[in-house]
Amino acid sequence: GAGVSQSPRYKVAKRGQDVALRCDPISGHVSLFWYQQALGQGPEFLTYFQNEAQLDKSGLPSDRFFAERPEGSVSTLKIQRTQQEDSAVYLCASSRGATGPEQYFGPGTRLTVT
Amino acid sequence: SQQGEEDPQALSIQEGENATMNCSYKTSINNLQWYRQNSGRGLVHLILIRSNEREKHSGRLRVTLDTSKKSSSLLITASRAADTASYFCATDGRRGSNYQLIWGAGTKLIIKP
Repeated sequence: GAGVSQSPRYKVAKRGQDVALRCDPISGHVSLFWYQQALGQGPEFLTYFQNEAQLDKSGLPSDRFFAERPEGSVSTLKIQRTQQEDSAVYLCASSRGATGPEQYFGPGTRLTVT
Repeated sequence: SQQGEEDPQALSIQEGENATMNCSYKTSINNLQWYRQNSGRGLVHLILIRSNEREKHSGRLRVTLDTSKKSSSLLITASRAADTASYFCATDGRRGSNYQLIWGAGTKLIIKP
């Protein structure tokens, strides 16, 4: 079956632009996660959805970051007024149940802010 | 903030040799997982070990967990070129919920042909 997909795979944005990153989780997976991964580091948790409910957004670095999953499937991570420090790979993962624990990852979106 | 720390940061071995990576973490956990990441394929789940387990095997992988030392090791036997990747350990969240994974910085493994 299809895995987690993300689009675009690469995004170059000029500082100050808004970007939207999309995640298509595995069909039927209840939980969806967004992570930020800097070069040479492990992923850092951003936010978590259970179906359409955003249960934890404690990892979002600023109010410029916003995520949604309105119908409990596809999710979008939006970054407003991008800054250079936002440059990273943004990973999406889904898991079958409400409590995981095994997560299935997409290939990521590499965001470069110039 | 990251919970796990992998050791070594980088490891280069000959094909056919065994590779051992270690992970230490700070708080109590429910589960510990190991993932592999190589370019183009993203993060792939390898194995999960629960806090009440001490050792687990999956094919050429062997994972141990010592909760008293808050550490885990991943052994890959008879390494292959395709094992070249970064390996991460991930533990469940500080609040005891297993939905939030906290990651180390990873061990970069290079298998020389």
